[in-house]
Amino acid sequence: DADVTQTPRNRITKTGKRIMLECSQTKGHDRMYWYRQDPGLGLRLIYYSFDVKDINKGEISDGYSVSRQAQAKFSLSLESAIPNQTALYFCATSDSTGVFSKQYFGPGTRLTVT
Amino acid sequence: AQSVTQLDSQVPVFEEAPVELRCNYSSSVSVYLFWYVQYPNQGLQLLLKYLSGSTLVKGINGFEAEFNKSQTSFHLRKPSVHISDTAEYFCAVSQGGSEKLVFGKGTKLTVNP
Repeated sequence: DADVTQTPRNRITKTGKRIMLECSQTKGHDRMYWYRQDPGLGLRLIYYSFDVKDINKGEISDGYSVSRQAQAKFSLSLESAIPNQTALYFCATSDSTGVFSKQYFGPGTRLTVT
Repeated sequence: AQSVTQLDSQVPVFEEAPVELRCNYSSSVSVYLFWYVQYPNQGLQLLLKYLSGSTLVKGINGFEAEFNKSQTSFHLRKPSVHISDTAEYFCAVSQGGSEKLVFGKGTKLTVNP
């Protein structure tokens, strides 16, 4: 079973709709991240959480919100989706032990806003 | 703020040829540097990382990278590529030594037979 799972894997929604992307992990990591990937732009950090009570904005948080329901779950919401939020979204996790432990990425959610 | 520049958006090579994917970063302080690989329709996987110590870092799948502080570069190399190395490669730098990563825009490596 995958260590980092994302649901749904693909979603098409209309402008103005609210949508939630979910991320779950079985790695026991305390740190979780949401990124979006756009062609030619690489990955950009939306939000990150270093533990359940710690939520921080990333580079491009406008139009998004997050919820860390438990150590293992980190959800990303688009309150009112717009077409330029069409992208591939990745969740990632890392632990806080050692020197800069690597990030483990989920398989991604492809979101299309029409 | 940290930034990462990947100088080539696409690199086509023939199988068994050597390849170098270039990455430059901006920083006035010590940095941690990473290369991630994304195979088609998959998430990212860590290839290698530089935290400190030896400037030549070896990673998985025969890749290596060299940290050059004077040139602020962290180029990725492989002496002989395979078809299976076809993927997109991302260079990343930690922001202020924190756990946040800043990614480059990616380099698509295509290995042709």
